[in-house]
Amino acid sequence: KAGVTQTPRYLIKTRGQQVTLSCSPISGHRSVSWYQQTPGQGLQFLFEYFSETQRNKGNFPGRFSGRQFSNSRSEMNVSTLELGDSALYLCASSLGTGVLDTQYFGPGTRLTVL
Amino acid sequence: DAKTTQPNSMESNEEEPVHLPCNHSTISGTDYIHWYRQLPSQGPEYVIHGLTSNVNNRMASLAIAEDRKSSTLILHRATLRDAAVYYCILAADTGRRALTFGSGTRLQVQP
Repeated sequence: KAGVTQTPRYLIKTRGQQVTLSCSPISGHRSVSWYQQTPGQGLQFLFEYFSETQRNKGNFPGRFSGRQFSNSRSEMNVSTLELGDSALYLCASSLGTGVLDTQYFGPGTRLTVL
Repeated sequence: DAKTTQPNSMESNEEEPVHLPCNHSTISGTDYIHWYRQLPSQGPEYVIHGLTSNVNNRMASLAIAEDRKSSTLILHRATLRDAAVYYCILAADTGRRALTFGSGTRLQVQP
């Protein structure tokens, strides 16, 4: 079974631009979560989607948004990019939303904001 | 969220057992103890989880103290591929699914 795939793997943008990242979950998984990883803050939760509905949101500004499609694929969007948005963005999928539903992470998208 | 404390780094020799400690003195009765690890240039991967009893799987063992205020991840024979950052995470079945990652323990394995 194919793992979680994220595209693109690397991205370079300039301040003020916007960016869209994509995540394809493992087949059959309906929950998708997004995390941001930076050297200073570590791994931080952005949001979670299940059946096209946002279930939880982390403590990030409104410039960070996401959505989930009927096939469970998910996208996250960051508008008006800032230098501090440079990070590894990780997507994780799971079968359901229970605490024992293991989250399977993709390899991440490395975003660099210049 | 209940907090976990882990050593910043540990070293081990290949083919020797490794015991990675985690303190979680404020753990609540409904918190599960999860371990994930992140290999270089990869996303985190699930290792093991437990609630009260010790657990074993093909990757590792999890030993949980009787008072649940600490736990230890045991890699029975470390390999070079086990070099990673290991995260100990508490998660309760509250409907809030977010995993709260701390700074983890960076494990180095020497040949």
